Amino acid sequence: DTAVSQTPKYLVTQMGNDKSIKCEQNLGHDTMYWYKQDSKKFLKIMFSYNNKELIINETVPNRFSPKSPDKAHLNLHINSLELGDSAVYFCASSQKAGGEAFFGQGTRLTVV
Amino acid sequence: GDSVTQMEGPVTLSEEAFLTINCTYTATGYPSLFWYVQYPGEGLQLLLKATKADDKGSNKGFEATYRKETTSFHLEKGSVQVSDSAVYFCALSRRGVNKFYFGSGTKLNVKP
Repeated sequence: DTAVSQTPKYLVTQMGNDKSIKCEQNLGHDTMYWYKQDSKKFLKIMFSYNNKELIINETVPNRFSPKSPDKAHLNLHINSLELGDSAVYFCASSQKAGGEAFFGQGTRLTVV
Repeated sequence: GDSVTQMEGPVTLSEEAFLTINCTYTATGYPSLFWYVQYPGEGLQLLLKATKADDKGSNKGFEATYRKETTSFHLEKGSVQVSDSAVYFCALSRRGVNKFYFGSGTKLNVKP
C-alpha cells in the first residue's frame, strides 16, 4: 500500500482552466503539506494542515485553494491556471508538526 | 529565520569515489535535520535523519553527523554507485512547526 498517494501523476491543461489534485495518506498522520517544486528543483511550501485545520498559507495566490475533508486527505484546487503554475506539486504528511515527512510521487502539472 | 544552505551541483563522480555534499543551517533552538533523496521522476524519500547534536544518521552507506558547533549536517558516502545518481536535499524542521526548510538540492551524477 502506498503511504502517501496523489492523483493524477501527470496533468496537462490549457491556461484559464480549473483543475484539482488529490492526496491521501494511510499513515494515520496528523499533519499534511503541499509543496511546489520548480524547474530548478527548488521546493517551496504552499500549505500545511494539522488535523484538518489550515496552519500555514505561504503567500500563495488565492487561485489555489486547499481542502481537507478529513485528516487523511488534502486536496488542492487551482482556478484560472496560468503558465507559471507549471511545476511538480508534492503532497506530504508527518505524524506531528516537525516530524519526518513522507512524500507522494508528485503531480507534474503542465499549463499550455 | 530558519534556512538551509547546501552546495550547488551538479556533482559528477566516478563509481567507487568518495562523496561529500555540504549542508549548513540557520535555526533557533534545536532543529531536527534530514537528508532526502529524489530519484528521477519520483518523489522525495527520507535517506537519513538526526534529531539532536552529535547524532549520526546513516542508511544505505550514507552518513551525516549533526554538528551544532559548526551548524552543519554534511552527507558522506565512502563509495558511490551509479544507482546513487539522484538529487539530494538537506532539510530541517522544528518540533511544533508545520514546515520543513529545504536546501536547493544537489544533483549527483555517478559515472561507471
